[in-house]
Amino acid sequence: AQSVTQLGSHVSVSEGALVLLRCNYSSSVPPYLFWYVQYPNQGLQLLLKYTSAATLVKGINGFEAEFKKSETSFHLTKPSAHMRDAAEYFCAVSPLTGTASKLTFGTGTRLQVTL
Amino acid sequence: NAGVTQTPKFRVLKTGQSMTLLCAQDMNHEYMYWYRQDPGMGLRLIHYSVGEGTTAKGEVPDGYNVSRLKKQNFLLGLESAAPSQTSVYFCASSLDGRFLYGYTFGSGTRLTVV
Repeated sequence: AQSVTQLGSHVSVSEGALVLLRCNYSSSVPPYLFWYVQYPNQGLQLLLKYTSAATLVKGINGFEAEFKKSETSFHLTKPSAHMRDAAEYFCAVSPLTGTASKLTFGTGTRLQVTL
Repeated sequence: NAGVTQTPKFRVLKTGQSMTLLCAQDMNHEYMYWYRQDPGMGLRLIHYSVGEGTTAKGEVPDGYNVSRLKKQNFLLGLESAAPSQTSVYFCASSLDGRFLYGYTFGSGTRLTVV
């Protein structure tokens, strides 16, 4: 079985500060990992994905995430937060192979950006 | 623009009423999903389909039914709505089961059951 745990349901940072959103996964096989962003009253948009190529993955809007197998982590970072980054962020996992037919999502982290 | 379209966007139902939510995708994706999103609980899978004519139960299927008569459409039905089904419903699709590209999501349907 696969699962993801997002540490911290709410994260608040100042504009210009580092953004760090944590995600740890549990999977019996090597996984694919994803970060999605949801802006208010919108659907989820793909930020970035890890599909077993480079461990450091760059996404849209200046976000990146690093796959660390030894720590079973896939934390999302951005060097400098902007007001427009305020949103809810979801980590998701799926296996590379096998018969499972769906992504498993974390419970989400709401990012607040203050002046 | 290609993508996933959900209708309606908003709906208010009375307890016991029925309704159908429609999801349509024009990307020729094989897999389609219905999720509900509730505060603090993330996204929970209701039902999914791995191809035309197929459906399967997800994590929280009770009180819902689905149909996939055409590859591009995935319908979610509530036969007798209950206040516990007040939620935001999202449809998603993926090309296949390999998830190389993740999911494409619709913009959601906000349902209130009173």
